[in-house]
Amino acid sequence: GDSVTQMEGPVTLSEEAFLTINCTYTATGYPSLFWYVQYPGEGLQLLLKATKADDKGSNKGFEATYRKETTSFHLEKGSVQVSDSAVYFCALSDQGGSEKLVFGKGMKLTVNP
Amino acid sequence: DTEVTQTPKHLVMGMTNKKSLKCEQHMGHRAMYWYKQKAKKPPELMFVYSYEKLSINESVPSRFSPECPNSSLLNLHLHALQPEDSALYLCASSSRGFRVSDYGYTFGSGTRLTVV
Repeated sequence: GDSVTQMEGPVTLSEEAFLTINCTYTATGYPSLFWYVQYPGEGLQLLLKATKADDKGSNKGFEATYRKETTSFHLEKGSVQVSDSAVYFCALSDQGGSEKLVFGKGMKLTVNP
Repeated sequence: DTEVTQTPKHLVMGMTNKKSLKCEQHMGHRAMYWYKQKAKKPPELMFVYSYEKLSINESVPSRFSPECPNSSLLNLHLHALQPEDSALYLCASSSRGFRVSDYGYTFGSGTRLTVV
């Protein structure tokens, strides 16, 4: 079945550091790919998405590019802030009409001042 | 309105109690979901309702009973739960249409359930 593998962390960075969170996937067909963020005590928020190969999703300084050749969707941010401290989930949605989101295990990021 | 609203935010219940979780959205989304999230784990799908009909049940025990009274409401009825059912229960919704997965999912902030 479809699956998502991502860095699990936890990761601690200093403010203004560069962030990369690796995410690779296994799926039949052409899934849509998502990054969700979960702040402490809250639900999940959609951070960005990409629906086809070579698409780049971006939001709030975060970027990720859908790479079909490497089945990857790595999340990057050039300069993290304390407010970026959260858990980040990579996810995919298949095109088979099942409506299911398949999540990676999540990575907890802490950014220190 | 671009939110999914869940009530209550916190719930403590005994193993013999009956309680219900409520989820509401007014975005016109026709697919609604229940997810269960244990601490430090990703959300796990429980149920999917599509056009108010149950389309997916991920082999969830019968002590969890979903209900979709109309296109805006989703309930999760709880009865005779176990302590291991303590978790964050998340509701989500998504639009239906061509390549529905293009639009992503909108999650509520969840109900934190503790079974004692």
